[in-house]
Amino acid sequence: ETGVTQTPRHLVMGMTNKKSLKCEQHLGHNAMYWYKQSAKKPLELMFVYSLEERVENNSVPSRFSPECPNSSHLFLHLHTLQPEDSALYLCASSQEHQNANTGELFFGEGSRLTVL
Amino acid sequence: QKEVEQNSGPLSVPEGAIASLNCTYSDRGSQSFFWYRQYSGKSPELIMSIYSNGDKEDGRFTAQLNKASQYVSLLIRDSQPSDSATYLCAVKDTDKLIFGTGTRLQVFP
Repeated sequence: ETGVTQTPRHLVMGMTNKKSLKCEQHLGHNAMYWYKQSAKKPLELMFVYSLEERVENNSVPSRFSPECPNSSHLFLHLHTLQPEDSALYLCASSQEHQNANTGELFFGEGSRLTVL
Repeated sequence: QKEVEQNSGPLSVPEGAIASLNCTYSDRGSQSFFWYRQYSGKSPELIMSIYSNGDKEDGRFTAQLNKASQYVSLLIRDSQPSDSATYLCAVKDTDKLIFGTGTRLQVFP
């Protein structure tokens, strides 16, 4: 148990569906992240929220829309996805110091997404 | 494009041996380096961080950093089957982490 909880753990959706991934952290951290993990590829940073403000976008397609209502919760809204978006989506949190990320991330168990 | 390179493996070692995992990075200005372990079907967890040239030991794990060669390694002494996992090298770039693809380690009895 890392203190970061993701739901759902598995999701199958069609290309026209709209769904959301949810992440909650119980560590009192002030930064949260969405990462994408695909086979044979490095972890890809999608979004960063620091103090509930988005600070990184990384040219992610607009069919992925993040939302961070408070420092403990993070959502990833999904719509009109493509089959190549099938992957493991990992949420992580960290405690930032002096506006610098320490690099010590605590990951959730991930949401395995399959787009048909 | 800043990169972190790792051999994907699998690296197979017998139980009790030393496993040596290597990583190179492209950004000479990088200052912070991390090793994450990811068991199959699980999420990555941080096991070591290193910031200065030389060795840093934590139990059976030793991280080694050589900034001149842009090289960081992880040694696992007395390898156990429970160490079988994928090991991800990560390098901090300003305010984000850049990950390698990971090296899969298999420790056989």
